[in-house]
Amino acid sequence: DVKVTQSSRYLVKRTGEKVFLECVQDMDHENMFWYRQDPGLGLRLIYFSYDVKMKEKGDIPEGYSVSREKKERFSLILESASTNQTSMYLCASTSGGLISNQPQHFGDGTRLSIL
Amino acid sequence: DQQVKQNSPSLSVQEGRISILNCDYTNSMFDYFLWYKKYPAEGPTFLISISSIKDKNEDGRFTVFLNKSAKHLSLHIVPSQPGDSAVYFCAATGTASKLTFGTGTRLQVTL
Repeated sequence: DVKVTQSSRYLVKRTGEKVFLECVQDMDHENMFWYRQDPGLGLRLIYFSYDVKMKEKGDIPEGYSVSREKKERFSLILESASTNQTSMYLCASTSGGLISNQPQHFGDGTRLSIL
Repeated sequence: DQQVKQNSPSLSVQEGRISILNCDYTNSMFDYFLWYKKYPAEGPTFLISISSIKDKNEDGRFTVFLNKSAKHLSLHIVPSQPGDSAVYFCAATGTASKLTFGTGTRLQVTL
C-alpha cells in the first residue's frame, strides 16, 4: 500500500518566518504534488514535480517554492510566511511521469497556522 | 476561474437511499475525471474514475456518469451508508498529470 507521509500534522509559525513542509513517499513515484485546501475553494495546486530536480508551477505558486533533491522527498517552502498562508497543506504522489492518469495518493495533511 | 464546479456544498441523504453528487467543468481539454473522498483529519482517497471515451463506470456501490456534451459528471452511491459521510471532491485532468479539483460536497448519510 502506498504511503505518503507528511512530517507534521500541526504547525504554528510566525509571520516572516521561513517554513519548511516535508513530504516523503515510499512507492518510487515519479510525480509529487503540493496542494492547499481552504473552505469553499477545494484543493488548489501550488507546485508539482515529475522528476528529481524538476518542478512546475501550479495554479497558486506565489509565495512558495519547492525542492526535490531525492525521488522520495518533496519539500514545500514558504519563503516569508504570511497570515494568508494559514491553511491545510496536502502532499500527493503518483506514478507515470508527466502524462499520467494514475490516481494520486495523498498524505494526511499539515494544518499550518501563521500568527 | 473555477474550471471544475461542485455547486452543492452539502447534501443529506437517508441511509439506504441513493446519493447523487454533481460536478460541472468548463475546460473541453479535460479527458479524465476522478472522484475523491475525504474524511476529517485525513487526506483524500481515490474512489472512482472515468475516461472521456466512456459515459459510465461502475465499482460496487459507486457509479460515475459522464455527459461530455453537457460537460457534467455525477457520482451515484447506492445504497448510501453512514460510513459514506465525508466530503467528496470531483477532479479533472487533461494532457498532463496535474488535477484540477472542485470545491467539494459534504455528504451526510443519516440513519
